[in-house]
Amino acid sequence: KAGVTQTPRYLIKTRGQQVTLSCSPISGHRSVSWYQQTPGQGLQFLFEYFSETQRNKGNFPGRFSGRQFSNSRSEMNVSTLELGDSALYLCASSLGDLSGPDTQYFGPGTRLTVL
Amino acid sequence: EDKVVQSPLSLVVHEGDTVTLNCSYEVTNFRSLLWYKQEKKAPTFLFMLTSSGIEKKSGRLSSILDKKELFSILNITATQTGDSAVYLCAVGRWWRSSYKLIFGSGTRLLVRP
Repeated sequence: KAGVTQTPRYLIKTRGQQVTLSCSPISGHRSVSWYQQTPGQGLQFLFEYFSETQRNKGNFPGRFSGRQFSNSRSEMNVSTLELGDSALYLCASSLGDLSGPDTQYFGPGTRLTVL
Repeated sequence: EDKVVQSPLSLVVHEGDTVTLNCSYEVTNFRSLLWYKQEKKAPTFLFMLTSSGIEKKSGRLSSILDKKELFSILNITATQTGDSAVYLCAVGRWWRSSYKLIFGSGTRLLVRP
């Protein structure tokens, strides 16, 4: 079974631009969660999508948004980029079944650098 | 506020040593505790624990959860240089209509030959 894939793997943008990152979950997984990882803050939850609906959102400004398509692929968008948005963006896929604990499997990440 | 604390922050050992990594938590609506290994990029899943006192084992790695004292340990025996990585502990909790992971800051392990 193929793992979680993320594209692109690396991105360099300048302040004020916007960026779109893509995540394809493991086949059969319907939940996609996004995380931001920085040296200072560690891994922080951005949002989770399940069946094309955002189920939860972390404490990030409205410049961070996302969506999920009918095939469970997800995209996240960051508008008006700031220097502090430089980070590794990880997506994680899981079954999304709320009947019990759910294991999340991570993709390789997209390294975003904002200049 | 939910908190997951890992210790030590970093550790240097020699091949063959045994290491114990710690994870303590204060999280409401606890559902599970997960361990991940992160080398270059993606955290790779190691264990998920939901019940107290039951050891999960995979080769030289093992982990146990104590839900009364709110902590977990990850043991690695006979360490190898390939075990060098950041080990992340995450607690899964019910939150709003879903389930999310709260991560600790990680323990950076370096295994010297």
